[in-house]
Amino acid sequence: NFMLTQPHSVSGSPGKTVTISCTGSGGSIASNYVQWYQQRPGSAPTTVIYENNQRPSGVPDRFSGSIDRSSNSASLTISGLRTEDEADYYCQSYDINTWMFGGGTKLTVL
Amino acid sequence: EVQLVESGGGLVKPGGSLRLSCATSGFMFRSFNMNWVRQAPGKGLERVSSISNSGSDIFYADSVKGRFTISRDNARGSLYLQMNSLRVDDTAVYYCAKGRVAAASWGQGTLVTVSS
Repeated sequence: NFMLTQPHSVSGSPGKTVTISCTGSGGSIASNYVQWYQQRPGSAPTTVIYENNQRPSGVPDRFSGSIDRSSNSASLTISGLRTEDEADYYCQSYDINTWMFGGGTKLTVL
Repeated sequence: EVQLVESGGGLVKPGGSLRLSCATSGFMFRSFNMNWVRQAPGKGLERVSSISNSGSDIFYADSVKGRFTISRDNARGSLYLQMNSLRVDDTAVYYCAKGRVAAASWGQGTLVTVSS
């Protein structure tokens, strides 16, 4: 079974850049698109990246996504960190009729 | 603007039933696959069920198979989840989500608490 693994937590200072990884196992991360969802405390998830590196309208270009076939991982990079970026971030992909989510990464903006 | 509004959550005893609803607007509901995704307290996300735009293809996670039933009313733009034989570990916020291979849009969620 294809699984996605994320670090439990990352942190960064305002104005800095952080990267959250999402490592695939049991298959190739490049086989299907990866999405990233942001979930602020007490709120529903929202999409910040879809189809590996596409931003929905309204998501600032500080958010970017990428795929690295060599490490079988996807990454979400947030530059120019702001306090409002503090949230949980989940990667997600799919296989046949199954959605798989990473376990989530808590981003703390110090 | 796409809007998804869930309702129907609440407190129910183990073995009980609930019916969740998701009212939608702002897009052509009949053209899109729809999903129910849940999040247990302090835990991650789990898609529990999905339904194709026509209703002909349905998916259930193993954790709810045989107990939950997903349905949709394309004329009303609404999605439903009938939950029977509820268990304590079904306690979660249930989100309605639009999309086939990913959640393009999410509702605000409705809390289901299963407790005696």
